[in-house]
Amino acid sequence: DGGITQSPKYLFRKEGQNVTLSCEQNLNHDAMYWYRQDPGQGLRLIYYSQIVNDFQKGDIAEGYSVSREKKESFPLTVTSAQKNPTAFYLCASSISDSWGPQHFGDGTRLSIL
Amino acid sequence: KQEVTQIPAALSVPEGENLVLNCSFTDSAIYNLQWFRQDPGKGLTSLLLIQSSQREQTSGRLNASLDKSSGRSTLYIAASQPGDSATYLCAVWSGGGADGLTFGKGTHLIIQP
Repeated sequence: DGGITQSPKYLFRKEGQNVTLSCEQNLNHDAMYWYRQDPGQGLRLIYYSQIVNDFQKGDIAEGYSVSREKKESFPLTVTSAQKNPTAFYLCASSISDSWGPQHFGDGTRLSIL
Repeated sequence: KQEVTQIPAALSVPEGENLVLNCSFTDSAIYNLQWFRQDPGKGLTSLLLIQSSQREQTSGRLNASLDKSSGRSTLYIAASQPGDSATYLCAVWSGGGADGLTFGKGTHLIIQP
């Protein structure tokens, strides 16, 4: 079945450590997105990519980095510069960014050790 | 800056009731509005997407309406079932790429058996 796969489901980070969250899609979508979800808040956009080898910062990009070397993959690295990384991270994709996110993965929950 | 508000924040009703979830937005210059469902610890599932030129969309027991001029949308759920229990989010796209998509904080719905 087509869809978006995020891994791992749970991730723990030690202080000063960089961690990478995986997002893979087999929907042949051009656009991919990373959101952060905190309790009681709406989704906030971290980064998005409209096409391979291109990506743009969202509202809260500080402390995060991404790459888009393949159409199917859009990994997110949470760097040590992100001082409050504990959150639920959601990856999404759509045919084009003109339609907004349509398909979401099941998320990765990141916690601090 | 677009703001999206969902009322109520939480709702608990007996099974079988018809119910209405509300979504309001501050800037009426939108291209589309989406309703999503989120189960605990999961990603978002798109339920309905209404283009700015449309008044409503229907899918099974769900009906979403859009009044762009007043900045409002409602999600009507007919004959509610315990399986409808979830958080429902609305999001509006104001154009300009993925950073033009604004999410509400959601309505947490519990259907009592």
